[in-house]
Amino acid sequence: DADVTQTPRNRITKTGKRIMLECSQTKGHDRMYWYRQDPGLGLRLIYYSFDVKDINKGEISDGYSVSRQAQAKFSLSLESAIPNQTALYFCATSDWTAYTDTQYFGPGTRLTVL
Amino acid sequence: AQKVTQAQTEISVVEKEDVTLDCVYETRDTTYYLFWYKQPPSGELVFLIRRNSFDEQNEISGRYSWNFQKSTSSFNFTITASQVVDSAVYFCALNVGGFKTIFGAGTRLFVKA
Repeated sequence: DADVTQTPRNRITKTGKRIMLECSQTKGHDRMYWYRQDPGLGLRLIYYSFDVKDINKGEISDGYSVSRQAQAKFSLSLESAIPNQTALYFCATSDWTAYTDTQYFGPGTRLTVL
Repeated sequence: AQKVTQAQTEISVVEKEDVTLDCVYETRDTTYYLFWYKQPPSGELVFLIRRNSFDEQNEISGRYSWNFQKSTSSFNFTITASQVVDSAVYFCALNVGGFKTIFGAGTRLFVKA
């Protein structure tokens, strides 16, 4: 089984709808991240969480919110989806105990907002 | 501020050619980490290598090799004898102090048979 899973893998929705993307991990890592990928822009950080009680905004957090329900679960919500939020979304985890912070990514969620 | 620049947007080579993907980074910190990730057409992101700023030794893993030069702030990635399966988008990334990781825009590599 994959260490980092994301649901759903694909989603098509309409403008104004509330959407939740879920991420679960079995790696036992404290740190979790949400990124979005747009063509030509690489990955941009939306939110990150260093533990259950520590959640921080990334560079493009407007229009998004997150919830860290447990060490293993980190959800991303779009309260009112808009077309420019159409993108590929990745969840990632990392383990800082080795002072390296290598990130391990989920398979991605392709979101289309019509 | 930290920044990662991958100036090559797309590269196209013929199978068995060697290819180098460039990565230039910016940071004022003395402790940092550099990464390369591969994104094949299937879409997942695969970790390839991590390097810390105190270790400038080059690394070779099979057909892959990495050249880290602090003097030019570069961390270039070479694929020797490229194969069609190497076709992917490759991302270089920088992490400073264990906080946010900054990704470059990626280089799309096409390897033609």
